[in-house]
Amino acid sequence: GNSVTQMEGPVTLSEEAFLTINCTYTATGYPSLFWYVQYPGEGLQLLLKATKADDKGSNKGFEATYRKETTSFHLEKGSVQVSDSAVYFCALSVLAGTASKLTFGTGTRLQVTL
Amino acid sequence: NAGVTQTPKFRILKIGQSMTLQCTQDMNHNYMYWYRQDPGMGLKLIYYSVGAGITDKGEVPNGYNVSRSTTEDFPLRLELAAPSQTSVYFCASRRDYGYTFGSGTRLTVV
Repeated sequence: GNSVTQMEGPVTLSEEAFLTINCTYTATGYPSLFWYVQYPGEGLQLLLKATKADDKGSNKGFEATYRKETTSFHLEKGSVQVSDSAVYFCALSVLAGTASKLTFGTGTRLQVTL
Repeated sequence: NAGVTQTPKFRILKIGQSMTLQCTQDMNHNYMYWYRQDPGMGLKLIYYSVGAGITDKGEVPNGYNVSRSTTEDFPLRLELAAPSQTSVYFCASRRDYGYTFGSGTRLTVV
């Protein structure tokens, strides 16, 4: 079956530090990969996506590259801000039958301090 | 542009009670989904729908029912609430690769 494994949190960083959140996946077929962010008390928001191998998704200074050879989609940001504090979910989607379905990792909480 | 709207935001149920979680989207998306999020866990798919009149089970459907009479609405029904159903419930809709999530319903069963 499909599964997503991401590093456990919380990850605590000082403002302007470099961020990496690891994500690896197992999937049948050719998945699309996503990073979602959840701010306190809110629903999930799409942060970035990549739909094929070697694609790089980017948004708001965050980047992730779809690495088929290592089945990974690690999230990076060069300089985090306090406003980046949230829970980050890695997810994959494989078309199965008539509908694609998202499979999520367990989430990684990021805390950024001044 | 409201997106995906879920009601209520919070609810406390007693064991054995029933309730319906409401979900409405105004984007004319055919695909809709219900997920639950337990503490420290990722989201698990309960039910999904590919269009009005068509629904199917996800990973954890036991104890829940859904219906999809219109494109806009996808309510989730709990018939006999159990403590194991204490969770945060998210509804989502999709077009292409773009999923839009509601802000969630936090349900506690006591």
